[in-house]
Formats: sequence, C-alpha cells, structure tokens
Amino acid sequence: NIVLTQSPATLSVTPGESVSLSCRASQSISTSIHWYQQKSNESPRLLIKYASQSISGIPSRFSGSGSGTDFTLSINRVESEDFSIYYCQQSYSSLFTFGSGTKLEIK
Amino acid sequence: EVQLVESGGGLVQPGASLKLSCVASGFTFSDYWMSWVRQTPGKTMEWIGDIKYDGSYTNYAPSLKNRFTISRDNAKSTLYLQMSNVRSEDTATYYCTREGTRGVFFDYWGQGVMVTVSS
Repeated sequence: NIVLTQSPATLSVTPGESVSLSCRASQSISTSIHWYQQKSNESPRLLIKYASQSISGIPSRFSGSGSGTDFTLSINRVESEDFSIYYCQQSYSSLFTFGSGTKLEIK
Repeated sequence: EVQLVESGGGLVQPGASLKLSCVASGFTFSDYWMSWVRQTPGKTMEWIGDIKYDGSYTNYAPSLKNRFTISRDNAKSTLYLQMSNVRSEDTATYYCTREGTRGVFFDYWGQGVMVTVSS
C-alpha cells in the first residue's frame, strides 16, 4: 500500500494568514494526488486534482503543487469558511489511499 | 445538479449482514465508475472498492474483499454495498462517490450513511 503522511496534524492560524499543508507519499507517485476539504458535519469536497489542477467552483485561493513524493496544498489568505479538515488521496496505485488529514483551526 | 443519496445504515449486530443503497441523479449514472468510501469515527478515510460503469468489473481493498460486495442497477441509477459478517471495526460513515475519471479521484460524494456495529 502507498502510505500518505500529512503534516501537521493540526494547524492553528488567524484568518488572513496564508498556509501550506503537506502530504508525503511512501513512494514516488508522479502527480497522482488529489485534495479534499471536509467541513464539520459535511461530506468531503474535491479541491484539487492531479496535484495542481483546479476544480470548477473552488475559490482561487486554493492551489496545489508537487510531484514525486512531496505535495503541498496552499491556501492564500485563509477565510473563516476554510477551517476544516483537509485530506490528500493517491490514485497511483489501484488501491486508493488517503492521508490522515490536517485539521485547520482558528487560532 | 448531481445528487447521491445513501440509505440502509443503522445499528447492526456483529456477524450480521447489511445492504446499503445509493440513488444517483443529475447525471447519466451508466456512464460513470462508482466507489464506496468509509470514514471511521476517528476520521480515518478508507476506500472500499469500485465498480465499472456497466457493472462488469469490480475492484476492492484487499482487506475487505471477502466480506463486502459492490453492485449496481443502472436502470434504477442505484449503487449497492452488501456487507457481510460485520465487525465492530466496520463502524463508520459510508459514502457513495462518483469517480470523475475512472480510478483517479472522487468528484461527487453523497451525504453519507452511518453504520454502527454493536451488540
């Protein structure tokens, strides 16, 4: 199985700050990584596909980067609605796996 | 508008069987691969398996393959998850998802249905 390690587990920030969330794969997976946002008591929502490709309807402050084993989800100037849990997911292997998530909370 | 609505969850005893359903609308169901994903109370996400758009092929997480079966009825735009010999570790919220591109990412998710395994 390809293991995805997300860090930090929790990130405390003030609205208006810019942040970077990390996802590291246990082996090289090219750009086969996708990011999801899960707000409290809601279903996950696709934010970014193939490491850096944007999704229609997702605010432009969300962006992704990386390839190989190291990936980053960046949020430019966090807004109050962004405080959620963020997951990465890989599709390099046909056994899809998720990271354990990063919780973005208000400082 | 794409909608995925799960049903069939609840409290079930260890060793029992349970069948979840997911009714899809707002898109041509028979054109898409579909997956089930579950989330434990501790928020861990686990992919269960998927099914080809015509139902002719399924793929499962190895740890669940012997107990879980995914099927679909395209005439009813409905996806199913048959769970057998359930265990306490199967307690989770189960999501029906659409695969945006086969075997890549999940572009739409249902609201989820809770399954609790307890005696």
